[in-house]
Amino acid sequence: KAGVTQTPRYLIKTRGQQVTLSCSPISGHRSVSWYQQTPGQGLQFLFEYFSETQRNKGNFPGRFSGRQFSNSRSEMNVSTLELGDSALYLCASSLGQGRSGANVLTFGAGSRLTVL
Amino acid sequence: SQKIEQNSEALNIQEGKTATLTCNYTNYSPAYLQWYRQDPGRGPVFLLLIRENEKEKRKERLKVTFDTTLKQSLFHITASQPADSATYLCALEGNQAGTALIFGKGTTLSVSS
Repeated sequence: KAGVTQTPRYLIKTRGQQVTLSCSPISGHRSVSWYQQTPGQGLQFLFEYFSETQRNKGNFPGRFSGRQFSNSRSEMNVSTLELGDSALYLCASSLGQGRSGANVLTFGAGSRLTVL
Repeated sequence: SQKIEQNSEALNIQEGKTATLTCNYTNYSPAYLQWYRQDPGRGPVFLLLIRENEKEKRKERLKVTFDTTLKQSLFHITASQPADSATYLCALEGNQAGTALIFGKGTTLSVSS
């Protein structure tokens, strides 16, 4: 079956602009998580959506937002871009069965954002 | 605050040797611990999961141990090969509802022939 698809793969923006990244999860997966990866901080959790509801949120400013649609596809948005937002943004999907089972993630290849 | 530490950023070993990577955590009571592999330019790929009541898990050349008293997991790759060169990430999931999967910064393993 198809994996997790993220678009665009690469993008360049300038400070102050906003960006929207898209993620199509594996068919049947209802949970989508977003992570930011930088060389210095590693993988940092942004937020998780399950059945169109934000179930969990990391410690990022309000400029970072997301949503999930009824078909489980998700988007994340970063407004008023800063140089420090340059990173690899990874989306991961899972069955999201809740806390009775482990949350094993399948990641996409990521969207590489460069802010100039 | 909750913290996950992978003891070294880089580990270099010779082909055929056993690679041992360490993951330590503090202020956490994880229900599960997972290990992922990440190659350059790609997203992490799930390798193994171990539950808090399990001591050891094996999959082919991979072995994971989980010591909740020491708050530590060890990840072993036996008979290592150059193709095992990658970054390995440990991840913890809490045992409370709504907790997300949190990752360590990873250890980059280089296996030379």
